[in-house]
Amino acid sequence: AQTVTQSQPEMSVQEAETVTLSCTYDTSESDYYLFWYKQPPSRQMILVIRQEAYKQQNATENRFSVNFQKAAKSFSLKISDSQLGDAAMYFCASFGGTSYGKLTFGQGTILTVHP
Amino acid sequence: DSGVTQTPKHLITATGQRVTLRCSPRSGDLSVYWYQQSLDQGLQFLIQYYNGEERAKGNILERFSAQQFPDLHSELNLSSLELGDSALYFCASSSTGGYQPQHFGDGTRLSIL
Repeated sequence: AQTVTQSQPEMSVQEAETVTLSCTYDTSESDYYLFWYKQPPSRQMILVIRQEAYKQQNATENRFSVNFQKAAKSFSLKISDSQLGDAAMYFCASFGGTSYGKLTFGQGTILTVHP
Repeated sequence: DSGVTQTPKHLITATGQRVTLRCSPRSGDLSVYWYQQSLDQGLQFLIQYYNGEERAKGNILERFSAQQFPDLHSELNLSSLELGDSALYFCASSSTGGYQPQHFGDGTRLSIL
């Protein structure tokens, strides 16, 4: 079974600053994927970034990057040059191995961006 | 726009009733997933279908059932509804059942009165 833990219920950042959201996971699978999803007030679930566990290089998507520490089972999301539109709930998620496509989500972190 | 369409957007009904939620996956996607998001349980996987066949089952109650039709759209049936079934129900789709990112619909908000 996989578990995902987000220990920060809420975070805040000033516009244009950088913020890091934390996530730890636990899995017995050797092959797995990790994701960050964003859920704005409109409630859509938007895929922000994904990381394949077999890749050592950290994934980057524009202002979003991850710090993937496989041995520590840590997967944090860094948002650079924060914008007001980044305000949302952010979910860390994983899937892999025998769980097929079943996504296991963390509890979420509410990100507030101050102008 | 993710390309995944869920209907209806909102549903209000009473305890004991039965409802059907519908999902049309992105064009070309063969796999459909259903998730439930509630305040107390968070986001939980319910069930997955791949090309019409059930592929994986999660924390889905016996009162709930789902199917995927030959045109690949899926329906989630919820019966004998209870107050605790009030939640946001998401459908997601991916091209295959394996390691492909899932794209979510906008969800159906179910309110039980």
